[in-house]
This record gives sequence, structure tokens and C-alpha cells, in this order.
Amino acid sequence: DAGITQSPRYKITETGRQVTLMCHQTWSHSYMFWYRQDLGHGLRLIYYSAAADITDKGEVPDGYVVSRSKTENFPLTLESATRSQTSVYFCASSEVGDGYQPQHFGDGTRLSIL
Amino acid sequence: GDSVTQMEGPVTLSEEAFLTINCTYTATGYPSLFWYVQYPGEGLQLLLKATKADDKGSNKGFEATYRKETTSFHLEKGSVQVSDSAVYFCALSDRSNTGKLIFGQGTTLQVKP
Repeated sequence: DAGITQSPRYKITETGRQVTLMCHQTWSHSYMFWYRQDLGHGLRLIYYSAAADITDKGEVPDGYVVSRSKTENFPLTLESATRSQTSVYFCASSEVGDGYQPQHFGDGTRLSIL
Repeated sequence: GDSVTQMEGPVTLSEEAFLTINCTYTATGYPSLFWYVQYPGEGLQLLLKATKADDKGSNKGFEATYRKETTSFHLEKGSVQVSDSAVYFCALSDRSNTGKLIFGQGTTLQVKP
């Protein structure tokens, strides 16, 4: 089925470990986004990408790394996880970045860092 | 910078009650405005949108009007159902050619039978 899928859905890890969250979309959308959702903050943008090999920082990029070698994939890596990165992470995509088109969201990854 | 403020929740209503969730924004220029809904355990889904002043977005009985003079985009529904229980997010897109969304903090709605 077409759509946007995230994996894993749930992840528990320890501080200092590296962890990668995967995001895959089948629409060939140009734009992809990573958000984190925390109580009282809504969703905050971590990184976004306008196309393969083009990425840029969002509001809260510290401690995260992204790459986009293929249009359909946009992995998010926590290089050395910290407890403050415990959150629910959402990946999203949109066909264009004109501000008119809505974004389509995955079901999220709930990440707990002990 | 741009920002979105939503009313504090949770909001608890009885079935068939009238719903209003307030949303105000601060932005330079003329943003697009969106309401997204998140059901338990799921990602966000677009509920409705408006792209210019005085536009009214509507979907599934929900409505919101883009009010530039009051910088508001309040969500309304005339008669809520138990199935409307969810978290509602107001968001704006600043049209900076990136499509980035800025979200409010979310409002939890619980509808009781």
C-alpha cells in the first residue's frame, strides 16, 4: 500500500547508544520532515529535506543527524542518545514545499531512553 | 518568530454538544493555516485547511475560518460524537518555500456518551 511508514514503532535504548529511526514513503514526495512530539510543546521540527541530498535544520536539531540518499527514505539518527531525547518521533512528507499542500504523517516511533 | 497558541485542554464534552477550540497565531506575511487530528496511537491526519484570509475550511462537520484581523483560526463543530475524541493541533505554514509547519501545543478532546 502507498503511504509513509516508520520503523520501529517502539524502541527502548540506553543513554550513549546510537539509534536510527527509519522513514519510508511510496509517493515520491520531494519534501520530508522529522518532528518530535512532547507534552506541552506540540510537534517541533528537527530536520527537513527538500530532495535527495538536500537537508536543513529545523527548530531542534541538536543531537540528531539525517541523510537522504534516496527520495523515498529519510532516516534520523541519534548519535549518542540522551534522556531528553525520549519522545515520540513523527516523519512526514509533502509533494511540494509551497506551504499550501498538507503534510502526510507516519504513525510515529515511541522512543524511550533509559 | 512565527508561533501558534491553542487553548489549554483537556476539553470534556457530552455527545451532541457544541465544540470550539481556540487557535491564534503570530506570523509575518500570509501563512496557510491547518487543523490536524491525532487519534490514539496514530499519526496526524489533516482535518481541514485555509490558505487565505476569510477562507473557511470544512471537513466531517468541522469548520474553521481564517480571520486575519484577529489572527485566529478557531475550530468548531455543531454536534460532537464519541468518535471525535482525539488530540487536535492547529498549525501554520510560513510559505518560505519549505512547507515547514509550526504547531500549537495540541488540545485533547474527550467526548462522553
